[in-house]
Amino acid sequence: EIVLTQSPGTLSLSPGERATLSCRASQSVSSNYLVWYQQKPGQAPRLLIYGASSRATGIPDRFSGSGSGTDFTLTISRLEPEDFAVYYCQQYGNSPRLTFGGGTKVEIK
Amino acid sequence: EVQLVESGGGLVQPGGSLRLSCAASGFTFSTYGMNWVRQAPGKGLEWVSYISRSSNSIIYADSVKGRFTISRDNAKNSLYLQMNSLRDEDTAVYFCAREPISVSGLDYWGQGSLVTVSS
Repeated sequence: EIVLTQSPGTLSLSPGERATLSCRASQSVSSNYLVWYQQKPGQAPRLLIYGASSRATGIPDRFSGSGSGTDFTLTISRLEPEDFAVYYCQQYGNSPRLTFGGGTKVEIK
Repeated sequence: EVQLVESGGGLVQPGGSLRLSCAASGFTFSTYGMNWVRQAPGKGLEWVSYISRSSNSIIYADSVKGRFTISRDNAKNSLYLQMNSLRDEDTAVYFCAREPISVSGLDYWGQGSLVTVSS
């Protein structure tokens, strides 16, 4: 089973700053199979990035994904007030079919 | 507008059963794979189960295998999760989520249904 470790656990930043979130896999993951979500309190997750770097429909271009192998990154170029949330990476595997990372909370400094 | 609406959650005793439903609208339900994902209070996301468009592929997480059954009725645009032998650790908000193309992420989610397992 591939384990996804997200870091840092919490990121304290100000609006306008750049956020860099890490997702590290315990084994190599195909870039095609790496996904990022955003979740706000009391809401369902929202698909941001699939295939490691492709933005989902309607996602602003300040969100970008990159990486390969075992190291993947979600970057928010300039934080907007609505971007403060928890972010999860997810990968597709054989067993289990989907695995989520533990999440990174981006909070207002 | 794509909508997924879960129902059927509630309080159940350990060892009990519950059936969740997910009503889909605003898209052609029969052309999408569907998943159940859960989130324990204050915790992260955990994938529970997947069912393909025609129900010919069904997969479960080890934590629920043998206790939970996923199914769908394409004529009724509905997804189900039958949960038996419930345990305290099954307490969570259960989300249904659409998967447009295999391994492309879950692009629409319901608002979630809370299942509380407690005596």
